[in-house]
Amino acid sequence: KAGVTQTPRYLIKTRGQQVTLSCSPISGHRSVSWYQQTPGQGLQFLFEYFSETQRNKGNFPGRFSGRQFSNSRSEMNVSTLELGDSALYLCASSLASYALTDTQYFGPGTRLTVL
Amino acid sequence: DAKTTQPTSMDCAEGRAANLPCNHSTISGNEYVYWYRQIHSQGPQYIIHGLKNNETNEMASLIITEDRKSSTLILPHATLRDTAVYYCIVRVVLTSGTYKYIFGTGTRLKVLA
Repeated sequence: KAGVTQTPRYLIKTRGQQVTLSCSPISGHRSVSWYQQTPGQGLQFLFEYFSETQRNKGNFPGRFSGRQFSNSRSEMNVSTLELGDSALYLCASSLASYALTDTQYFGPGTRLTVL
Repeated sequence: DAKTTQPTSMDCAEGRAANLPCNHSTISGNEYVYWYRQIHSQGPQYIIHGLKNNETNEMASLIITEDRKSSTLILPHATLRDTAVYYCIVRVVLTSGTYKYIFGTGTRLKVLA
């Protein structure tokens, strides 16, 4: 079974631009979570989608948004990029977020650099 | 949110067992402990998880104390390829009835030849 895929793997943008990252979950997985990883803050939860609905949200500004499609694929968008948005963005999928035990499987990440 | 505390770094000789400790003293009764590792800024790789009993799979063993306030991940025969950052995570229960992972800072394990 194919793993979680993320595109693109690397991205360079300039301040003020916007960016869209894509995540395809493992087949059959309906929950997709997004994380931001930086050297200073570590791994931080952005948001989670399940059945096209945002279930949970972390403490990030409204510039960070996402959506999920009917095939469970997910996109996240960052508008008005800032230098501090440079990070590794990770996507993780799982069968269902409401299960007592539900394991997330991570993709390889998208490395975003903001100049 | 339950938080985890791990040593910043550890060394282990190749072929020996690597024992990685984690404190999670505020864990709630139905919250699972998960372990992941991350190699060279790739995506974190799932290792093992448990609630209160000890668990073992092909990668590692997880020992959880009876009071559930701490756990230890054991890599029985560490190899150079096990060099990575290891994250101990508590899967916390949210008011919505769903769950999310809370990552700590992790332990940087270096396996020495």
